Amino acid sequence: KQEVTQIPAALSVPEGENLVLNCSFTDSAIYNLQWFRQDPGKGLTSLLLIQSSQREQTSGRLNASLDKSSGRSTLYIAASQPGDSATYLCAVAAHDMRFGAGTRLTVKP
Amino acid sequence: KAGVTQTPRYLIKTRGQQVTLSCSPISGHRSVSWYQQTPGQGLQFLFEYFSETQRNKGNFPGRFSGRQFSNSRSEMNVSTLELGDSALYLCASSLALQGMNTEAFFGQGTRLTVV
Repeated sequence: KQEVTQIPAALSVPEGENLVLNCSFTDSAIYNLQWFRQDPGKGLTSLLLIQSSQREQTSGRLNASLDKSSGRSTLYIAASQPGDSATYLCAVAAHDMRFGAGTRLTVKP
Repeated sequence: KAGVTQTPRYLIKTRGQQVTLSCSPISGHRSVSWYQQTPGQGLQFLFEYFSETQRNKGNFPGRFSGRQFSNSRSEMNVSTLELGDSALYLCASSLALQGMNTEAFFGQGTRLTVV
């Protein structure tokens, strides 16, 4: 059974810092991995989708990497801003979609 | 291009009542999945519909049911509401079955409070 773990559960950084969020999964037979952002009480916003054949995807200040063999993905956020404060979730697609519990990010001005 | 639309956004119901939530997927998407999100349990999968057929089901009691119409819009119903059903209910739409090589897009959710 696929299990998805996100570390750390919470992270607080000063504005302007570069940061890395981690996602690990137990079964490497995945179709893709997706990173989402969730603001309090709101739905999930898709940030990046990495196909299983890809190593990384970039969108603006965000860069996500995927290492299937080790069951790991990282989301790199450059030059963090207070508006980046949210919970970040990763989800792996492998016959169903499994979510991690999320990392709650706070960026302090 | 319109996103995923969930209605209503907020609901307050009494224990024992039933409730119906609605989800309109992105145009052209045939898969709709439903999730329950609570602070203690995180995101839990309820069920997925594709082309009007339930394709996958999570570990929830039979009080939770759903359906999908020919235009891909989906509804979920919860009968005999319990206090523990209070949660944010999210739906996601995608072109293909979730769990395959497809991107999922979520609605803003319906916040259900059972009193």
